[in-house]
Amino acid sequence: SQTIHQWPATLVQPVGSPLSLECTVEGTSNPNLYWYRQAAGRGLQLLFYSVGIGQISSEVPQNLSASRPQDRQFILSSKKLLLSDSGFYLCAWTGGGGTSGRYNEQFFGPGTRLTVL
Amino acid sequence: KNEVEQSPQNLTAQEGEFITINCSYSVGISALHWLQQHPGGGIVSLFMLSSGKKKHGRLIATINIQEKHSSLHITASHPRDSAVYICAVRKGGSEKLVFGKGTKLTVNP
Repeated sequence: SQTIHQWPATLVQPVGSPLSLECTVEGTSNPNLYWYRQAAGRGLQLLFYSVGIGQISSEVPQNLSASRPQDRQFILSSKKLLLSDSGFYLCAWTGGGGTSGRYNEQFFGPGTRLTVL
Repeated sequence: KNEVEQSPQNLTAQEGEFITINCSYSVGISALHWLQQHPGGGIVSLFMLSSGKKKHGRLIATINIQEKHSSLHITASHPRDSAVYICAVRKGGSEKLVFGKGTKLTVNP
């Protein structure tokens, strides 16, 4: 069965420090991968999505970046965190455009709660 | 105006009540998702549907493509159903989901 992992679960970082959040998926190949952020009291906001290794689409211009160095690994990074980067970060996957079809359900990781002080 | 609107924003019910959460959207879609977010933050996919009706246990989801409207029903509600329920649509031809703001459900014993 498919599993999605995220770490760390919680993180407290000072303003201006770097960030690296990692997401890995098991039990599937060629997934579409997504990074979302949920600010306190707000809805889910799509940050980045990827349909393949090295292919990243950015939805919101900001000081965050994403990379997909391997098929089932998705990394969210920042060189210098801002207070406004605080929030709950969720990684998600769906079946890719191959045999799984394009419109599968979206499965979410457990999330990382980031507090920037 | 948001492309996905949910109502109500907050809902409080007594255990055992029948609950309905509504979702309207204004764009062409290929699928609609209902998600459940627990107080700890974890999100679970409840349903993905593109037509008709789906049922899983006490949960029922319906969609009317012509009216661009979907409903999530919970029968015999229980305190463990307390969560935020999120409607999301996948626009036709897109890999991305557009989310509603969620409905916070509280079921009291």
